[in-house]
Amino acid sequence: EAQVTQNPRYLITVTGKKLTVTCSQNMNHEYMSWYRQDPGLGLRQIYYSMNVEVTDKGDVPEGYKVSRKEKRNFPLILESPSPNQTSLYFCASSWLAGESNEQYFGPGTRLTVT
Amino acid sequence: QQPVQSPQAVILREGEDAVINCSSSKALYSVHWYRQKHGEAPVFLMILLKGGEQKGHEKISASFNEKKQQSSLYLTASQLSYSGTYFCGTERGTYKYIFGTGTRLKVLA
Repeated sequence: EAQVTQNPRYLITVTGKKLTVTCSQNMNHEYMSWYRQDPGLGLRQIYYSMNVEVTDKGDVPEGYKVSRKEKRNFPLILESPSPNQTSLYFCASSWLAGESNEQYFGPGTRLTVT
Repeated sequence: QQPVQSPQAVILREGEDAVINCSSSKALYSVHWYRQKHGEAPVFLMILLKGGEQKGHEKISASFNEKKQQSSLYLTASQLSYSGTYFCGTERGTYKYIFGTGTRLKVLA
């Protein structure tokens, strides 16, 4: 089954404790992206990657890091989480070329930073 | 700057129609529409790549007016399953996406 998986699905942590949210897709997509979703603000892009070792900043990259060492994986790293990073996070993937750059979203990771 | 969606929320009865608008202060080169049901991930509905393009997906269709920098999503004869939040999105540069703040739609029996 074609899918994007994220782990963990729920995470409660404390300020300053480094964490990683994993994202993996099994569709061989070149493009992967991270979004955060907050009430009233919709989906905002954090980082994206067009292929292995190629990443770039989205609209809200501050406080986040990413890496793309393998095509299927795109982990999101919070080196020193703060309460304002409490949010619902989605990973997404898609083909780069073609008429439909439909993004397939993972199930989401709800992060609470206290 | 995020695209602006209107209305922010709408309540319908089954069988009624709705229109959701998406407008941008910057040029729109493509428009993507997604629906997100409560507690779930967004799901792709359609993409419009050219001004003047219209597309349909079951009873959901959309138009794209490139000159006016806006797109509209049309939901015809609403069903309970149409309830959710609808997002429009566009590209700001190559593969850098920006989404609107969403329109919450609830369909009542």
